[in-house]
Amino acid sequence: GNSVTQMEGPVTLSEEAFLTINCTYTATGYPSLFWYVQYPGEGLQLLLKATKADDKGSNKGFEATYRKETTSFHLEKGSVQVSDSAVYFCALNPRRTTQGGSEKLVFGKGTKLTVNP
Amino acid sequence: GAVVSQHPSWVICKSGTSVKIECRSLDFQATTMFWYRQFPKQSLMLMATSNEGSKATYEQGVEKDKFLINHASLTLSTLTVTSAHPEDSSFYICSARRDVYNEQFFGPGTRLTVL
Repeated sequence: GNSVTQMEGPVTLSEEAFLTINCTYTATGYPSLFWYVQYPGEGLQLLLKATKADDKGSNKGFEATYRKETTSFHLEKGSVQVSDSAVYFCALNPRRTTQGGSEKLVFGKGTKLTVNP
Repeated sequence: GAVVSQHPSWVICKSGTSVKIECRSLDFQATTMFWYRQFPKQSLMLMATSNEGSKATYEQGVEKDKFLINHASLTLSTLTVTSAHPEDSSFYICSARRDVYNEQFFGPGTRLTVL
């Protein structure tokens, strides 16, 4: 079946530290991969996405590269800020999307990030 | 733009009662909405896909008669938890797919506690 495994938190970093949140997946075929972020009291927001192998999604200083050989989509940011404190979800759509949309998402458990000043 | 609201944001009810949760797309039309359930420190689990004007499609293991879904308009879907029991206590999240752009937007969630 389809599944997503991401590193368990919580993760606590100091401002300007380097961030990596690991995400690996299991899927048949060619899934699309996503990172969502949930700020306190708000809904999930799409942070970035990649629809095929070797694609790199990027947004707000965050990056993730779709690695088919290692079935991974690790989230990275070179210098985190206090405002990045949130819960981050890795997700996949088992079928490739053509317009960047998503259906029937399969989510990881989420990783809570706290950035201290 | 592309805001999805949920009401209520939290609700406490007695065992045996029914609770209705609303999901609204505030500034766009959504033919399709999704309902998820999230347990503490767990993934979001898709419960059902709600389609405007037709019956919802439930995921395997989700009781249709327990979780009633109505999608009566292009901006509103409701989830009714019938005869709620303590094991139904959870965080329920909806999302709405914006028709033109085929992009999914999430609501802030509803915390249900059944006593």
